[in-house]
Amino acid sequence: SAVISQKPSRDICQRGTSLTIQCQVDSQVTMMFWYRQQPGQSLTLIATANQGSEATYESGFVIDKFPISRPNLTFSTLTVSNMSPEDSSIYLCSVETSDDSYNEQFFGPGTRLTVL
Amino acid sequence: EDQVTQSPEALRLQEGESSSLNCSYTVSGLRGLFWYRQDPGKGPEFLFTLYSAGEEKEKERLKATLTKKESFLHITAPKPEDSATYLCAVQGWGNAGNMLTFGGGTRLMVKP
Repeated sequence: SAVISQKPSRDICQRGTSLTIQCQVDSQVTMMFWYRQQPGQSLTLIATANQGSEATYESGFVIDKFPISRPNLTFSTLTVSNMSPEDSSIYLCSVETSDDSYNEQFFGPGTRLTVL
Repeated sequence: EDQVTQSPEALRLQEGESSSLNCSYTVSGLRGLFWYRQDPGKGPEFLFTLYSAGEEKEKERLKATLTKKESFLHITAPKPEDSATYLCAVQGWGNAGNMLTFGGGTRLMVKP
C-alpha cells in the first residue's frame, strides 16, 4: 500500500486567483494521477503526472488551466489557475503500485476547493 | 471507450439485511476492476482489485465477484458503519497511462 498526504486539505479562494495543491507519497511510485470530483459526482481523471516530463492530460483538461509538476518519484503539485466557481470540487491525488501479479491504486484524502 | 454503470444509485438497508451492489462495465481488455469505499469529505479507500472472470475477494463483511460483464459487491449482515458510497472503476489494457474509469457510485445507508 501507499500513504498519501495532500496540502491544503481545504481552501476558499476568490475568482481569478490560483491555488497549488501538493501531493506527497511515503514511497517512490512510478504512476501518479490527479482526479477531480465535482459535487455529488464521481471521479474524473485530469492528468497523469509524469516524472521528468510533461503531464499527460485527458480530454477537456489543458496545461494552462491545470499545470502539473512532478519533480521526483514521491511528490507532485497541481495548480488550478484563474479559478472560477465552476472549479469548486474535490481534487484528489492517486498513485499506482503494481507488478506482474497485482495492481492497486490508492488515493489521498483530497483537497476541497471552494471558489467564490 | 471504457464505460462503468453502477446500480442502484442509492440503497437503504436495515442492520443485518444482506444485499448486493452491481457494477456493469465495458472495457477494451480488462487489466483490473477496482472497488473503493468513500466516506463524505474523504478520499476513496481502496478495497479490492479483481483481474479475471470468476475471481472473488473478501474483506470483513464485503465480498467482490467478477464476471466478463459485471462485478458484484456483496455485503453480508451490514452494520451502520458500512454506510458510505461504494465506487467501482475499471482499468483497460487499451488505455494509455493506466487511467481508471469510474462509475457513478452507490450510496449505501445502513440503519440500526
